[in-house]
Amino acid sequence: EDKVVQSPLSLVVHEGDTVTLNCSYEVTNFRSLLWYKQEKKAPTFLFMLTSSGIEKKSGRLSSILDKKELFSILNITATQTGDSAVYLCAVFYDNNNDMRFGAGTRLTVKP
Amino acid sequence: ETGVTQTPRHLVMGMTNKKSLKCEQHLGHNAMYWYKQSAKKPLELMFVYNFKEQTENNSVPSRFSPECPNSSHLFLHLHTLQPEDSALYLCASSRGADFNYGYTFGSGTRLTVV
Repeated sequence: EDKVVQSPLSLVVHEGDTVTLNCSYEVTNFRSLLWYKQEKKAPTFLFMLTSSGIEKKSGRLSSILDKKELFSILNITATQTGDSAVYLCAVFYDNNNDMRFGAGTRLTVKP
Repeated sequence: ETGVTQTPRHLVMGMTNKKSLKCEQHLGHNAMYWYKQSAKKPLELMFVYNFKEQTENNSVPSRFSPECPNSSHLFLHLHTLQPEDSALYLCASSRGADFNYGYTFGSGTRLTVV
């Protein structure tokens, strides 16, 4: 069965901490993995990863994909209260462009 | 605003009502999507339209009926819903319906079925 599993499900840290969010997957014919940040309603697209070992970076956020071990991590350094959100991982797979989301990691950053 | 506009933002409807959700984008995107997000569940893809043609229906019950009259507009017609259909319904669009493009999401319609 195709699945996308995120861990941890929730995480509470203090401002300035560094966090690592995990997304593992088991799908047929992997195509790409996407990270989203969801605050309240609409997810905001963060990264799309298709190749192993190539880090994508945007400010304090970075992400990398390991297609051999079938997972991706999202790192956030020097966290701020504005980073509090649900971080969603989604995987495109199969020739029909099926897409499956993980359950998300709820990150809370305390002042 | 993200460029994808959903209306209404909130909707409360009875189980015998008929209502429609609307999604509009003027980003020049060719693919549009409906998602359902229930509490404590992953975001679920419901329908995919590419160049106005439905290319995916993820085993969605027939009480949800999508319509895509053109590449800029997407509707979700609702009738005889159940309380468990209460959820946030998100619309998204992308330049093409394949894995090469990121998605732009609307802010969603919060639906409550009473």
